[in-house]
Amino acid sequence: IVMTQSPATLSVSPGERATLSCRASQSVSNNLAWYQQKPGQAPRLLIYGASTRATGIPARFSGSGSGTEFTLTISSLQSEDFAVYYCQQYNNWPPETFGQGTKVEI
Amino acid sequence: QVTLRESGPALVKPTQTLTLTCTFSGFSLSTSEMCVSWIRQPPGKALEWLARIDWDDDKYYNTSLRTRLTISKDTSKNQVVLTMTNLDPVDTATYYCARMPHYHGAFDIWGQGTVVTVSS
Repeated sequence: IVMTQSPATLSVSPGERATLSCRASQSVSNNLAWYQQKPGQAPRLLIYGASTRATGIPARFSGSGSGTEFTLTISSLQSEDFAVYYCQQYNNWPPETFGQGTKVEI
Repeated sequence: QVTLRESGPALVKPTQTLTLTCTFSGFSLSTSEMCVSWIRQPPGKALEWLARIDWDDDKYYNTSLRTRLTISKDTSKNQVVLTMTNLDPVDTATYYCARMPHYHGAFDIWGQGTVVTVSS
């Protein structure tokens, strides 16, 4: 399954809303996760099951969608949210495939 | 507290075999429904899933790398080992191990990663 993220880069001001998209080449049901990666760090799980926030993730992060279309929304961007975001499907495996990432920049 | 830590050589020559070890704590791979995967990331590129081993010793591999990969676990040492044969410069990447609870399928805890450079 190919995961396609858009846009590649999203320029947003602090306090604004950010909407990131992820599309699967075939249905993955709700078996989709979102990760945040900052430079020099490992990815961090934000969302699993398409919409369930992982432990300790702030409520400003929300996920939605099912089937082939998914969205990660950051309601009000904080300075620490500027990073690269990856989606990943775990419905049809192996392999568990990742998207190519969306960079959220100031 | 759940932690994972990758270890292995930083520099490997082309055609050689790479052995990476993931040492974890805070969970068990012998009795709980937990899984550990290896994932890599070439410089400036996206994440690529490589292999996974489950608590019941089931193993899964990225089909494009299947002939080069072997994953195993030593539950007494809380370690998962990945070997990759016939290294090439395109295998230069940061290699991560990550835990996956079987009940939800996402990678909830990651190691900090280990950088491997393939060069003569």
